[in-house]
Amino acid sequence: DQQVKQNSPSLSVQEGRISILNCDYTNSMFDYFLWYKKYPAEGPTFLISISSIKDKNEDGRFTVFLNKSAKHLSLHIVPSQPGDSAVYFCAASAEGTYKYIFGTGTRLKVLA
Amino acid sequence: GAVVSQHPSWVICKSGTSVKIECRSLDFQATTMFWYRQFPKQSLMLMATSNEGSKATYEQGVEKDKFLINHASLTLSTLTVTSAHPEDSSFYICSARGPHPYEQYFGPGTRLTVT
Repeated sequence: DQQVKQNSPSLSVQEGRISILNCDYTNSMFDYFLWYKKYPAEGPTFLISISSIKDKNEDGRFTVFLNKSAKHLSLHIVPSQPGDSAVYFCAASAEGTYKYIFGTGTRLKVLA
Repeated sequence: GAVVSQHPSWVICKSGTSVKIECRSLDFQATTMFWYRQFPKQSLMLMATSNEGSKATYEQGVEKDKFLINHASLTLSTLTVTSAHPEDSSFYICSARGPHPYEQYFGPGTRLTVT
């Protein structure tokens, strides 16, 4: 039972364009969401987070949107850079647990 | 700030032996640490939650007698894979909960190969 899903295993985007990574969840108790970036054989690196009381959070080139009614969140990267090429995981946590359930990841490739 | 280290970064061991992996929070105290494993091309799977000074809480399906977790101090948690078998070969990652309860900082991971 995959509570957090990233249906696109891979995505290719031209440098300078927008990258949109999507994430869907099934558990309505999730109230905090994170996006992580991961390179092979390394631990995940935190990118951006969003609480369920918000529908948007922005940090530089990264923006996360949350649609609670659709149980959907997305990460926008603008403009995309070759260094952004990595696997991106979304993760969700239910109130008070502080445990994160990770999605399956999307491999982003930014083409120069 | 908020650096988490893991040691060793990779280890090869023979089937039947035990392996200990250390996870340290270098510049902050972590009352709670988490252990994950990741199979190739799959997601991070939470194995257990490690709380300083108390027993770890294991996720469903994770054998607590096989994956021994000790969180003896506010900066160190250890995972011992006992009587390792080839199917235990995986990438093990720890994380530490930061000052904000929802923050979580990850270590670089440990690649375990059991021959």
